[in-house]
Amino acid sequence: EDQVTQSPEALRLQEGESSSLNCSYTVSGLRGLFWYRQDPGKGPEFLFTLYSAGEEKEKERLKATLTKKESFLHITAPKPEDSATYLCAVQADTGANSKLTFGKGITLSVRP
Amino acid sequence: NAGVMQNPRHLVRRRGQEARLRCSPMKGHSHVYWYRQLPEEGLKFMVYLQKENIIDESGMPKERFSAEFPKEGPSILRIQQVVRGDSAAYFCASSPLAGVVGEQFFGPGTRLTVL
Repeated sequence: EDQVTQSPEALRLQEGESSSLNCSYTVSGLRGLFWYRQDPGKGPEFLFTLYSAGEEKEKERLKATLTKKESFLHITAPKPEDSATYLCAVQADTGANSKLTFGKGITLSVRP
Repeated sequence: NAGVMQNPRHLVRRRGQEARLRCSPMKGHSHVYWYRQLPEEGLKFMVYLQKENIIDESGMPKERFSAEFPKEGPSILRIQQVVRGDSAAYFCASSPLAGVVGEQFFGPGTRLTVL
């Protein structure tokens, strides 16, 4: 069974204090790893897809990286508007089954 | 370009009633997924549908829950005889691709409360 574990569960940062969010996964064969951002009362907003170990993607203050066992979401000089829950999900390479398996998320709070 | 639309956004039902949740995918998307998010839990896959076909319902409870995606109109997630444990946020996602890596785009969700 595919599993995704995210750590820490919650993270409080001072504005400008860089940090990383971890996503560990086990999957029979990885088709893709996804990062989403979810604000309270809203649906997940797509951020990145990573396909293979060694791949990196960036968007503003966020950079996602991937190894064979985990992914990191690096946040550089965060701002209060980066406060949200960050979700990691994997999609297994099991034929036509396209479901995503999600971790529980990491709640990030950035203080001004 | 309109995103994934879900309605209603909030739904209150009494135990034993039926709940119907609707999802209109993004324009050009023909694949729909339903997920459930319980308090303090992650998003859990329920069902994956294409037009007029259920592709994967491995996450759907065997009783009281059903889903459809007709040729015309939105996808419907139906919960019969709701119980308090059904209270959750239900999210729909859509994708233009199947069998290849493709992002799933989520709607705003329907928050179901069972009294």
